[in-house]
Amino acid sequence: DGGITQSPKYLFRKEGQNVTLSCEQNLNHDAMYWYRQDPGQGLRLIYYSQIVNDFQKGDIAEGYSVSREKKESFPLTVTSAQKNPTAFYLCASSMADRETLIFGNGTRLTVT
Amino acid sequence: GDSVTQMEGPVTLSEEAFLTINCTYTATGYPSLFWYVQYPGEGLQLLLKATKADDKGSNKGFEATYRKETTSFHLEKGSVQVSDSAVYFCALRHNFNKFYFGSGTKLNVKP
Repeated sequence: DGGITQSPKYLFRKEGQNVTLSCEQNLNHDAMYWYRQDPGQGLRLIYYSQIVNDFQKGDIAEGYSVSREKKESFPLTVTSAQKNPTAFYLCASSMADRETLIFGNGTRLTVT
Repeated sequence: GDSVTQMEGPVTLSEEAFLTINCTYTATGYPSLFWYVQYPGEGLQLLLKATKADDKGSNKGFEATYRKETTSFHLEKGSVQVSDSAVYFCALRHNFNKFYFGSGTKLNVKP
């Protein structure tokens, strides 16, 4: 079945360490997105990519980095510069000419 | 800039009650509008959508009508079930494939 796989489901890190969240899709979608979800704040866009080797900052890109070397993969690195990294991270994708976002099941990152 | 505002929760209803979750938006032009649902510990799933003014999206007994004059896309269901308990997000899509989401409304349905 086609879909988006985020791994791991739960991730724990010490403060000051970089951590990379995985997102893989087999839907042949052109566009991929990373959102951050905090209680009571809904979803906020971190980065998005419409084609391979190209990506744009969203509304809260500071302290994060991404790459898009392959169409099916869009990993997110949470760097030590991100002041409040503990959150639920959601990856999504869509066709360039379609309007529906498909979401993965998320990764809950806890930094202590 | 583009934005979505939806009513704060939680909303608590008894089974078979009528549901309304309000959503208004700010955007230039003609965005597409969506309702997504999130069950505990999962990602979001598309519930329904509308792509132009006066369109009505519907799915699983839920409905929402795209009202350009009031910039609204309120979610309604005539008779909720316990299984409808979840968090509901209103969203819009506009330029360059960017999606904007509201803050989410948690719905609790009691038997």
